[in-house]
Amino acid sequence: QVQLVQSGAEVKKPGASVKVSCKASGYTFTGYYMHWVRQAPGQGLEWMGWINPNSGGTNYAQKFQGRVTMTRDTSISTAYMELSRLRSDDTAVYYCARVGQQLVLVGWFDPWGQGTLVTVSS
Amino acid sequence: SYVLTQPPSVSVAPGQTARITCGGNNIGSKSVHWYQQKPGQAPVLVVYDDSDRPSGIPERFSGSNSGNTATLTISRVEAGDEADYYCQVWDSSSELVFGGGTKLTVL
Repeated sequence: QVQLVQSGAEVKKPGASVKVSCKASGYTFTGYYMHWVRQAPGQGLEWMGWINPNSGGTNYAQKFQGRVTMTRDTSISTAYMELSRLRSDDTAVYYCARVGQQLVLVGWFDPWGQGTLVTVSS
Repeated sequence: SYVLTQPPSVSVAPGQTARITCGGNNIGSKSVHWYQQKPGQAPVLVVYDDSDRPSGIPERFSGSNSGNTATLTISRVEAGDEADYYCQVWDSSSELVFGGGTKLTVL
């Protein structure tokens, strides 16, 4: 079945960087755009950007431009999201989410990864 | 930037119908998707493209979209439907937007 499995929880100090992985299985990794969404504790969902796993092309939400980098390794069907210059308000659960339709940039998300908690604390 | 407005909470008795709204400027011209999120879990798609249902989602879940309001309707509400619900659209400014979320409480 289609599945996204993310890396484990991280604890980082302010100013550090974090890299979260998202391993895909059950489908052709390069055929579907991947997005990243985060959720601060007790808050709603916040979109961060997308990566085209085929070309490596990316687009980031304006809020995160300059701090986020999305990459992929097609040989292991894995997407990555790296966030730099971490602050305490970056504490959140980070999700990868696959677009539901093949070769479509944006649409609905199905499935989602299980989430990775990133805690930023001194 | 485009804004989606959802009521913070909706309460309904078991067996009744819950309606969760998602307001946005001319949202009827966009495709709206809805997600259910239970505590400690990742979101799950329940309605896509305004009114389509993914496989495995009960027929009790339906959606509509017109004018400035999209609506997720849950018929014959069950205790297991208690969750947060989010609407989502793609804006022409190339930003993806989520509503603030609605907590559905089953009384």
